[in-house]
Amino acid sequence: SYELTQPPSVSVSPGRTATITCSGDSLGNYYVSWYQQRQGQSPVVVIYQDTMRPSGIPERFSGSHSGNTATLTISGTQAMDEADYYCQAWHSSTPVVFGGGTKVTVL
Amino acid sequence: QVQLQESGPGLVKPSQTLSLTCTVSGGSISSGDYYWTWIRQPPGGGLEWIGYIYYSGSTYYNPTLKSRVTVSKDSSRNQFSLNLTSVTAADTAMYYCASYKKFYFDYWGQGALVTVSS
Repeated sequence: SYELTQPPSVSVSPGRTATITCSGDSLGNYYVSWYQQRQGQSPVVVIYQDTMRPSGIPERFSGSHSGNTATLTISGTQAMDEADYYCQAWHSSTPVVFGGGTKVTVL
Repeated sequence: QVQLQESGPGLVKPSQTLSLTCTVSGGSISSGDYYWTWIRQPPGGGLEWIGYIYYSGSTYYNPTLKSRVTVSKDSSRNQFSLNLTSVTAADTAMYYCASYKKFYFDYWGQGALVTVSS
């Protein structure tokens, strides 16, 4: 089965930049979306189609995709950004695949 | 804006069938805009896609769950449902319904916690 790999955790100081990666075989052929899930809440999409930011999502969230790795960047990280982040892609073998999730801690 | 709300029993006995319903408002499940989806998350774990149904009735399931899963819809009530058979403790999870707009989920329900226990 297809897998997306994320680092389990990322730590960042307030005001600094957090970077979360998502990698998978042939990921370059597919769009990647990113979801933020705060404790006790449902996930919320923060980036879709690699780089698109939904309305209402702060500009400090950005996405990129190069080859088989997609990246979510949080610039000027705030305490409210502390959450779990999941990447997700469509794949020909499985229509929906999620990464294992990355816990972002703002120290 | 689409809103989704899960409903169903919070406790299911082992070997029985888990049944949940998602009620959609602010959008029609009979339109071709979305794939209506079920996703679950075990306590402390990550997200797992279960399956989805399209307005045409076509369904797509996670291969790892396919033998036990059925997703159906009731267009007259603007609802879609999940049946998961032969449940075990490993099926204990928060179950979310969501709308999938190629290729991302733009709306999610608040989730329904289902515990499998005798």
